Amino acid sequence: QSALTQPPSASGSPGQSVTISCTGTSSDIGSYNYVSWYQQHPGKAPKLIIYEVSKRPSGVPDRFSGSKSGNTASLTVSGLQAEDEAEYYCHSYAGNNNWLFGGGTKLTVL
Amino acid sequence: QVQLVESGGGVVQPGRSLRLSCAASGFSLNNYGMHWVRQAPGKGLEWVAVIWSDGKTKFYADSVKGRFTFSRDSSRTTLSLQMNSLRVDDTAVYYCARERGPFDGFDFWGQGAMVTVSS
Repeated sequence: QSALTQPPSASGSPGQSVTISCTGTSSDIGSYNYVSWYQQHPGKAPKLIIYEVSKRPSGVPDRFSGSKSGNTASLTVSGLQAEDEAEYYCHSYAGNNNWLFGGGTKLTVL
Repeated sequence: QVQLVESGGGVVQPGRSLRLSCAASGFSLNNYGMHWVRQAPGKGLEWVAVIWSDGKTKFYADSVKGRFTFSRDSSRTTLSLQMNSLRVDDTAVYYCARERGPFDGFDFWGQGAMVTVSS
């Protein structure tokens, strides 16, 4: 199966909101509510920021929110801060004990 | 606290083997599925393999099926990834990660182990 599709880059000014999309198919995002998002800073391990489409782990600011419509999931970062500059990856269960990641989106805070 | 620590990375020639380990602490492997995820230099994340909480049921990405073996030791605190017939495109940082629940996101990750396959 192919990776999920994300835009390679996104940007916004401090305080603004940015939305990153993640497009899959009816076999992965469209079939399961096991969509997650990860934030990865250079040289660091990924960090879970959204799971089950829209839930936030303890400690993740509520500036991060997730949603899904059909085969597309979205991550919105509101009130952008400098420390939000990072790579963001979406992730979905794809059935038959297979998981897919998106190609990643580099978020730049202008 | 939950901690995952990978070890065993290094430089290996194409066709050779390498074994990665992931030491888990702060939780019981009997209660969580565990995964390996890799990231080639400058590239995105790629799911590699899963072992269920039963320690026996395993599944692999097509790219590594038949070459990689995921296992859990009898002490149930260490995971291993035996990588055989390594190829240049297996070069990556390999992370072990804990699954929140069946099929769910990965809530804890190790720091990663670098594997370089080069002649």
